[in-house]
Amino acid sequence: QQQVKQSPQSLIVQKGGISIINCAYENTAFDYFPWYQQFPGKGPALLIAIRPDVSEKKEGRFTISFNKSAKQFSLHIMDSQPGDSATYFCAASLGSGTYKYIFGTGTRLKVLA
Amino acid sequence: EPEVTQTPSHQVTQMGQEVILRCVPISNHLYFYWYRQILGQKVEFLVSFYNNEISEKSEIFDDQFSVERPDGSNFTLKIRSTKLEDSAMYFCASSGRTGEWTQYFGPGTRLLVL
Repeated sequence: QQQVKQSPQSLIVQKGGISIINCAYENTAFDYFPWYQQFPGKGPALLIAIRPDVSEKKEGRFTISFNKSAKQFSLHIMDSQPGDSATYFCAASLGSGTYKYIFGTGTRLKVLA
Repeated sequence: EPEVTQTPSHQVTQMGQEVILRCVPISNHLYFYWYRQILGQKVEFLVSFYNNEISEKSEIFDDQFSVERPDGSNFTLKIRSTKLEDSAMYFCASSGRTGEWTQYFGPGTRLLVL
């Protein structure tokens, strides 16, 4: 019940296309859902995050869509660029207690020039 | 912009040796975490630390692991007797205050146990 399932495992998108990564969770007590971007050899960097009381959040080319009833959330990268090529992790946090993150398995995105 | 720093960036050690991984969290943060990432796998929670004590630990964080905040700035992870399966990237993270959920990650320490 503490798992976060992420798909796809890898994704190849043409430059200018839309990249879509999906995550699903079981624990309805999760209260905070961040997305992290990780380049090889680097630490995860926060990209965008959402709380379950909001169905969508947009920051620049990055949008999170959140479906509370389906217990799913997704990251959309509009106008994908080669510089977006990285591994993306979704995560979930209980938002109380220790606020630890449960990470998804990651999606390796490659944007072709 | 404040950032989490970690040293060393790489550490190679022999099985059975002790290692200490060091982190300097963002200065006014109150919550501290260690995560690890085995090559090609997801990031896994190890331990959280608040108010000078462990607030939660995972099954991975067994008696071989310990954490400490020896002074007002450093946060360390010690592995007493390393095993081959401890080889991973170890990330330190910190977050600000109660109700602020965003965690900021350091660049990691790549630990290789031979």
